[in-house]
Amino acid sequence: NAGVTQTPKFQVLKTGQSMTLQCAQDMNHNSMYWYRQDPGMGLRLIYYSASEGTTDKGEVPNGYNVSRLNKREFSLRLESAAPSQTSVYFCASGPGRGYEQYFGPGTRLTVT
Amino acid sequence: AQSVTQLDSQVPVFEEAPVELRCNYSSSVSVYLFWYVQYPNQGLQLLLKYLSGSTLVKGINGFEAEFNKSQTSFHLRKPSVHISDTAEYFCAVLGGSYIPTFGRGTSLIVHP
Repeated sequence: NAGVTQTPKFQVLKTGQSMTLQCAQDMNHNSMYWYRQDPGMGLRLIYYSASEGTTDKGEVPNGYNVSRLNKREFSLRLESAAPSQTSVYFCASGPGRGYEQYFGPGTRLTVT
Repeated sequence: AQSVTQLDSQVPVFEEAPVELRCNYSSSVSVYLFWYVQYPNQGLQLLLKYLSGSTLVKGINGFEAEFNKSQTSFHLRKPSVHISDTAEYFCAVLGGSYIPTFGRGTSLIVHP
């Protein structure tokens, strides 16, 4: 089992460029999440998907969109990148409420 | 609404000494509680969790935590730390929704 995989591992964008971060899990989990991690801020939820076919905004959704492509895959899109979106992005999955989350290795994004 | 406070942003300790990382939470409903560890340049992984039952929870790598409902705390302890325990530790609370709230993290620094 690969667990939760994320691509790419690193990315540098110029302001205004777009990109999609990919996430996949092979644990048959219902729920998937996107977080960003900034120094001293902990983890902040961007979007989540409680089950296939549903997505909801988290704490910091502005500037992002998501797609739950199927049960395995949950992508995060930046339509017009801004320097404030420089961060480390983590995807996570979980069986549902009351269970722990399983995290991917992260994508380190720099927007110049 | 739920919230988590990790009282120390950084905890330095010498190898083989005991350590306690503090976590307090607030919630209007019953909670599930988690501790995660993040080693440098990696994603988070679960250390331990409290769902119900015994208030003393044992996790991986010799860590344990005690749920104290009256003090709304879930402090993490280890009787003797190793250099390899140097990492960022996150407390998380899950209340009435699918969405956990993470603390800002405590950096444990183990000195030889």
